[in-house]
Amino acid sequence: EDQVTQSPEALRLQEGESSSLNCSYTVSGLRGLFWYRQDPGKGPEFLFTLYSAGEEKEKERLKATLTKKESFLHITAPKPEDSATYLCAARAGTYKYIFGTGTRLKVLA
Amino acid sequence: DAGITQSPRHKVTETGTPVTLRCHQTENHRYMYWYRQDPGHGLRLIHYSYGVKDTDKGEVSDGYSVSRSKTEDFLLTLESATSSQTSVYFCAISESGDYGGEQYFGPGTRLTVT
Repeated sequence: EDQVTQSPEALRLQEGESSSLNCSYTVSGLRGLFWYRQDPGKGPEFLFTLYSAGEEKEKERLKATLTKKESFLHITAPKPEDSATYLCAARAGTYKYIFGTGTRLKVLA
Repeated sequence: DAGITQSPRHKVTETGTPVTLRCHQTENHRYMYWYRQDPGHGLRLIHYSYGVKDTDKGEVSDGYSVSRSKTEDFLLTLESATSSQTSVYFCAISESGDYGGEQYFGPGTRLTVT
């Protein structure tokens, strides 16, 4: 069964304290691994797409990486405005996207 | 921001009444999706569309129907609303080939069924 698991469920960091979020996936025929940011009361906002193991993408303080079993979202020197829920999704078919339940990140000033 | 709007943004309705949610896009993307988001669950696909009048069921389609008569509009109908359909509903669009296919989401509709 196709499955995506995110950990931890919640994470509190001090401003400037770097950390990583994990997304483990079990998907046959992966067609892309996606990261989204979701703020309260809003829709998910697209961040990155990764296609193959070893690939990395960066945007400001965020860097996403991919292996054959998991993806990491590394947050370097986070700021309070990075507080949000981060979702990952694995594309398992043309229309089939498997979403994790997200990691709620809180960055304290 | 991708041009996706949803209406209404909030709705309270009674059990047994029909409800229609609307998604409108200005991006001319071929694919459109309806998801629901509930605590403890990831986003779950209700229905999707791969073109005008071309739709199909997702994993949680019971009690829902959809229609797409124009590229830009995708309607989700709850035929007879139940309390289990209280949720936040998101529309998404994508322009995907065999690989890639990032989705862009609307702002959501919060539906409460009493």
